[in-house]
This record gives sequence, structure tokens and C-alpha cells, in this order.
Amino acid sequence: AQKVTQAQTEISVVEKEDVTLDCVYETRDTTYYLFWYKQPPSGELVFLIRRNSFDEQNEISGRYSWNFQKSTSSFNFTITASQVVDSAVYFCALCLFSGGYNKLIFGAGTRLAVHP
Amino acid sequence: DARVTQTPRDKVTEMGQEVTMRCQPILGHNTVFWYRQTMMQGLELLAYFRNRAPLDDSGMPKDRFSAEMPDATLATLKIQPSEPRDSAVYFCASALSGSGETQYFGPGTRLLVL
Repeated sequence: AQKVTQAQTEISVVEKEDVTLDCVYETRDTTYYLFWYKQPPSGELVFLIRRNSFDEQNEISGRYSWNFQKSTSSFNFTITASQVVDSAVYFCALCLFSGGYNKLIFGAGTRLAVHP
Repeated sequence: DARVTQTPRDKVTEMGQEVTMRCQPILGHNTVFWYRQTMMQGLELLAYFRNRAPLDDSGMPKDRFSAEMPDATLATLKIQPSEPRDSAVYFCASALSGSGETQYFGPGTRLLVL
């Protein structure tokens, strides 16, 4: 079964705290891609990062960092020194090659509230 | 700054009416997806086009929903007749085909069927 689990439904932090959003995925495929998207209150879905299954190097982009561990099927997202503008719903997604095309399977999302 | 555009942004209609949502993919992208987002079901894939050809519409209720790409710059999603349970946010996304291509989403159409 192909599945993405974001166990944290909601997280509330105070500005400047670090916060980690968990993502666990299930697939038997050896080739796949993982994504994170951000959905701010305005509603659009904003692409944050893509990672393929053969690249386990962690990535850092400003205050954002991602930790990919195949051994635990996890692709966690950390925001350092959170800001109010980080308040959003964050989705983790798994991309599989199914029937000759790419299909995104989304997690349920984690709602992050950053308070001043 | 290339973006996916969707119209209308908001739509309120009465049950039984026809609803048409439009999407303009990013220029040069040859793959278009339609998703529906609800609180209960989350993000669901409705249909998928590559080079204007429908590849998968298994997520779409066939009796009332239809999706087309009249040309490379326009994708449409139509509901006829609409029902209250169709109330949701409908997203269009586009991508350039390749392995694990990144999907870029439009702002969505918020549909309310009364």
C-alpha cells in the first residue's frame, strides 16, 4: 500500500521556536520522489522541496531543513526560528510512477500556528 | 514569474446548475492535474492530462464531471448537474513531464453548491 502519514494534526509554537513536522511514507517501490508543500491561509499550494529516493542528503534552505531517512521511511521538515509568516498547513507527498505516469499521494497535512 | 492561473476564484451556485472551472497551465508545461480538496477527504486527484490527452480520470465521478483540454493553454473541469457534496476547493496543477516532475499548483477555485 502507498501511503503518507503526517501524525501531527496541529502544532502550536511561539515565534522563534524551532519546530519539526513529521512525515512517514509507505511504498514498495524503490524509485520515488518526496515533496513538501505549504498551504498558507490564502489557500494556494506552494512547492517547497522535492527529493528523490536515491538522494538521502539532508537539505537546508534558509530557516528550512529536511531530513530524509530511508531506513525509517521518513522525510521530516524542520523550521528554525519560526516566524508568524510560517503559519500554514504543510503537506508531505509521495510521488510514484504508476501506470506510466507520476501520481502524488498527499498526507493529511499538519497545521502549524506560530504565535507572536 | 510563471504561475498556474485558475478562474473563477470563487463560485457560488445552486444545486443542479452547471459549473465550469478553467485553468491555464504554466507555459511549456505539458502535464495538467485536477485535484479536489475537502476537509473530510483531503487532496484527491480527479484527472490527469499529458500532452492534452486524458491519462487518468478514475478519481472523477463520471456521471457528472468532465475534464478537457481544448488546447495546450486551457484545461476545463465541468460539473453538470452540481450537487451540494461537490462543494470543495478545486486545484489545477501543471508540470513538465519527466521523472517525479514537480507539480505547480494554481490558487484554486472555491466552489459552494447550495
